[in-house]
Amino acid sequence: DAKTTQPPSMDCAEGRAANLPCNHSTISGNEYVYWYRQIHSQGPQYIIHGLKNNETNEMASLIITEDRKSSTLILPHATLRDTAVYYCIALGGSQGNLIFGKGTKLSVKP
Amino acid sequence: DTEVTQTPKHLVMGMTNKKSLKCEQHMGHRAMYWYKQKAKKPPELMFVYSYEKLSINESVPSRFSPECPNSSLLNLHLHALQPEDSALYLCASSLPTSTRLLHFGNGTRLTVT
Repeated sequence: DAKTTQPPSMDCAEGRAANLPCNHSTISGNEYVYWYRQIHSQGPQYIIHGLKNNETNEMASLIITEDRKSSTLILPHATLRDTAVYYCIALGGSQGNLIFGKGTKLSVKP
Repeated sequence: DTEVTQTPKHLVMGMTNKKSLKCEQHMGHRAMYWYKQKAKKPPELMFVYSYEKLSINESVPSRFSPECPNSSLLNLHLHALQPEDSALYLCASSLPTSTRLLHFGNGTRLTVT
């Protein structure tokens, strides 16, 4: 499974877009990129995942570069409730278990 | 609210005590997981059950004993723990065919004195 690198922390103003980067330069062709977040005192929550095309759901958008070596999670209008640790995970195949890295602590400020 | 329920929310136990953590889900998921999370660290996988059978044990000490009595329940039995075992214990579940799309509970915060 590919190693991912994320900045340890980021700030974002409330109402603005939060763009969280993730580097996965060793990702292989069958590895998906998954994003989870963990709000303080809660369990991790699935956000979105993708292989090569950009993806969007009700929570966020995932932009994957054409060479697939990096991706960006976009929260279009961040709120205070989006303050959390965001984890980017690259996993291949259809099985294999979720292993969390250090993640990015996003602080949304008023 | 989460669809995976963990009890108790908090537990304080002595090093000679025996206690159990409980996890319950009614989503029909047949894969269930225990993760351990120390303060300011990411969750670490401990055990995986698939169709009520233990499929992965990530070299967890025997003082932690998992049990999956049926498809909805997952227990973690604790005995002779050490203070360094104090952590947030997270349970999760998923479809067996989708082991990356996990539903997590909010955890049991365990303190070993």
